[in-house]
Amino acid sequence: ETGVTQSPTHLIKTRGQQVTLRCSSQSGHNTVSWYQQALGQGPQFIFQYYREEENGRGNFPPRFSGLQFPNYSSELNVNALELDDSALYLCASSFSQNTEAFFGQGTRLTVV
Amino acid sequence: GIQVEQSPPDLILQEGANSTLRCNFSDSVNNLQWFHQNPWGQLINLFYIPSGTKQNGRLSATTVATERYSLLYISSSQTTDSGVYFCAVFTDKLIFGTGTRLQVFP
Repeated sequence: ETGVTQSPTHLIKTRGQQVTLRCSSQSGHNTVSWYQQALGQGPQFIFQYYREEENGRGNFPPRFSGLQFPNYSSELNVNALELDDSALYLCASSFSQNTEAFFGQGTRLTVV
Repeated sequence: GIQVEQSPPDLILQEGANSTLRCNFSDSVNNLQWFHQNPWGQLINLFYIPSGTKQNGRLSATTVATERYSLLYISSSQTTDSGVYFCAVFTDKLIFGTGTRLQVFP
């Protein structure tokens, strides 16, 4: 059984660019959530996908968008990158909504 | 929205000491998890504990949902226990607490 994997692990982008982060959910899990963790803070909920539908969204602007695919893997897209988007982006998968969440190793995004 | 507060914010221990980390939440929750975040950012699952007590080696956790708190006990701490400990509660999403940064020195 494979765990949650994220790619890439590190990324440097320029302000105004667009970025796509990827997450493969744990085998048997149909729910994926994305979180942003700024330096020294706790992770903040961005949104959740359940069976390919967005199922809850945190306080993030529309330039943060996502997708979930039929195999339950997921993408996080961020348009028009800002310096404050620099953070660790974490993906979590779970068997269903509100069950135990398992996290990937994260993608560290730096916007310059 | 629900508030999740952890205490203490920082903890410095010598190897072998015991410690108790606390997580208070302001409203009813469906479930609760404890995580250890290592220096590389990986969140390691420690406990999934909506209520009651669980033990895993030197670690144990207790959640009293009716009183809206959870405790994480670390006994005989080791340098590898260093890192940040988060509790997170389920409402319609997972909400993380403020974290406790633990440093264990030899």
